[in-house]
Amino acid sequence: GAGVSQSPSNKVTEKGKDVELRCDPISGHTALYWYRQSLGQGLEFLIYFQGNSAPDKSGLPSDRFSAERTGGSVSTLTIQRTQQEDSAVYLCASSPRLAGVPYQETQYFGPGTRLLVL
Amino acid sequence: DAKTTQPNSMESNEEEPVHLPCNHSTISGTDYIHWYRQLPSQGPEYVIHGLTSNVNNRMASLAIAEDRKSSTLILHRATLRDAAVYYCILRGQGGSQGNLIFGKGTKLSVKP
Repeated sequence: GAGVSQSPSNKVTEKGKDVELRCDPISGHTALYWYRQSLGQGLEFLIYFQGNSAPDKSGLPSDRFSAERTGGSVSTLTIQRTQQEDSAVYLCASSPRLAGVPYQETQYFGPGTRLLVL
Repeated sequence: DAKTTQPNSMESNEEEPVHLPCNHSTISGTDYIHWYRQLPSQGPEYVIHGLTSNVNNRMASLAIAEDRKSSTLILHRATLRDAAVYYCILRGQGGSQGNLIFGKGTKLSVKP
């Protein structure tokens, strides 16, 4: 079946511009996560949506970053007034909710959006 | 959060078994041990997970120490396609409960 898709696959922008990154999770998955991976760095958690609960925004690095998830499906990560240090691969993942067996669900990752801020 | 420790890098020859170690001495009783890997220029992918007993699937085997303070991911016959960064992650009350917490992982190189 279809996996997690992300668009665009690559984005080049100028410092100070706003960008929107899109994630289409696997159909039926209730949880959606955003991570980023800077060049040569590990994966860093950004934000987590679970069903209708308030999102966990604890990983967002600044108030220039925001995300929304409409209708429990598609998610958009917005970065306002981009800076050069925002250059990274932004990864989206989704997972099903396994009733009664927490901490065992698999996260399925998309291919990522490579963002370059000039 | 309970932490994991992995070697920075390992090398293997093609078609030989590979044993990737992970130490997690502060694991709590309800923490699951998950392994993901990230191939070059791709997003991470799930490999295997377990709680106490050893686990096998089509990709790998997971051997968990009796005291659960360490585990080993076993690739039975490494292929060139297995060259990736392998992450050992704890999920549960002592580890991450929602998002995955990635460390630096082990970069596996496979020589033909």
